[in-house]
Amino acid sequence: EIVLTQSPATLSLSPGERATLSCRASQSVSSYLAWYQQIPGRAPRLLIYDASTRATGISARFSGSGSGTDFTLTISSLEPEDFAVYYCQQGSNWPLTFGPGTTVEIK
Amino acid sequence: EVQLVESGGGLVQPGGSLRLSCAASGFSFSSYTMSWVRQAPGKGLECVTKMKEDGSENYYVDSVKGRFTMSRDNAKMSLTLQMNSLRAEDTAVYYCVRGGYSRFDMWGQGAMVTVSS
Repeated sequence: EIVLTQSPATLSLSPGERATLSCRASQSVSSYLAWYQQIPGRAPRLLIYDASTRATGISARFSGSGSGTDFTLTISSLEPEDFAVYYCQQGSNWPLTFGPGTTVEIK
Repeated sequence: EVQLVESGGGLVQPGGSLRLSCAASGFSFSSYTMSWVRQAPGKGLECVTKMKEDGSENYYVDSVKGRFTMSRDNAKMSLTLQMNSLRAEDTAVYYCVRGGYSRFDMWGQGAMVTVSS
């Protein structure tokens, strides 16, 4: 099973600041890495897939990069609605696995 | 409208059974791999099963293998998750999700399953 590790666990930032979230895989997942946003009480929403492709309707302030084992999600300038939990997910091997999440909270 | 709607959640005793359903609309259901992803209270996400477009291949995580069965009816645009021998650790919100490889691009609102005596 491929294990995903996310860092930091919590990111405390102010609106307008840049957020950088990391996801590391225990073995190469090529570019089969997706990012999701989840607001408490709601279903997750796909932000980025194939490491760097924005999903339909996702703002350009979200960007993804990386390949192999190291990936980054960047939010260029935080909006109030961006404070949420972010998960990465690998699609390389079954079982498909998610990271434990990074909480982006208002400082 | 493009959506996935789950039903059938509830409270069940340990060792009991429950059947979740998912109704799809607004997209070509038979063209997509579909999955069930669960989230225990206050915890992260776990993909427990997925099924290919035509139902020819089905995958389960080890923790539910032999207890859960996923099925689909492409004509009715629906999914079913039959859950038997339920345990306390199966308590979670269960999401019906479109996709099952490099992305899950559409999620239902979720169905809560509580396993408790």
